[in-house]
Amino acid sequence: DTGVSQNPRHKITKRGQNVTFRCDPISEHNRLYWYRQTLGQGPEFLTYFQNEAQLEKSRLLSDRFSAERPKGSFSTLEIQRTEQGDSAMYLCASSFAFNQPQHFGDGTRLSIL
Amino acid sequence: GESVGLHLPTLSVQEGDNSIINCAYSNSASDYFIWYKQESGKGPQFIIDIRSNMDKRQGQRVTVLLNKTVKHLSLQIAATQPGDSAVYFCADYSGNTPLVFGKGTRLSVIA
Repeated sequence: DTGVSQNPRHKITKRGQNVTFRCDPISEHNRLYWYRQTLGQGPEFLTYFQNEAQLEKSRLLSDRFSAERPKGSFSTLEIQRTEQGDSAMYLCASSFAFNQPQHFGDGTRLSIL
Repeated sequence: GESVGLHLPTLSVQEGDNSIINCAYSNSASDYFIWYKQESGKGPQFIIDIRSNMDKRQGQRVTVLLNKTVKHLSLQIAATQPGDSAVYFCADYSGNTPLVFGKGTRLSVIA
């Protein structure tokens, strides 16, 4: 049973560098979501895709953030010119359809030095 | 959208006892609710869901109760085990809004 896979699991980088994370959803799921989670908080929605179309972005997603899902399969989340405040766990989830359970990966933990 | 909140941030229970984790939601238009379990260093794991046309749903050792009148959701875990120790989140959908999570309740099981 292949669940949602995220790579890398951990990323440590210096402030100002660019980083890219990858998410491979469950294969039959056409919806893919990105969340950010900081310590002691619940996940916060960033953006989601239905197939290759990015349908919604949160106000949390500044201009330095960009997400793609080029062929409606895997997705990437890029953060440019990283800042200290970007340190968080970045979670990806997928679902078969709207109003169906979202299944999460184990996230990428980003630490900014 | 409006946020989903939780009554208690921490809960400690004896192994073998039943656990009840509560959640209050504020959006009366919410129509789908999910409980997640998150262990340290892992992503949230789906436990059980319930739609607004139901008031109770049972899974393996877990039961979710929904009271739409007072906008309250609870998760009951029967015969709590050490492996149940984790942070539990409720989350809700309303229409086409993104899934909204509360802060979570940390469940500690005392052996």
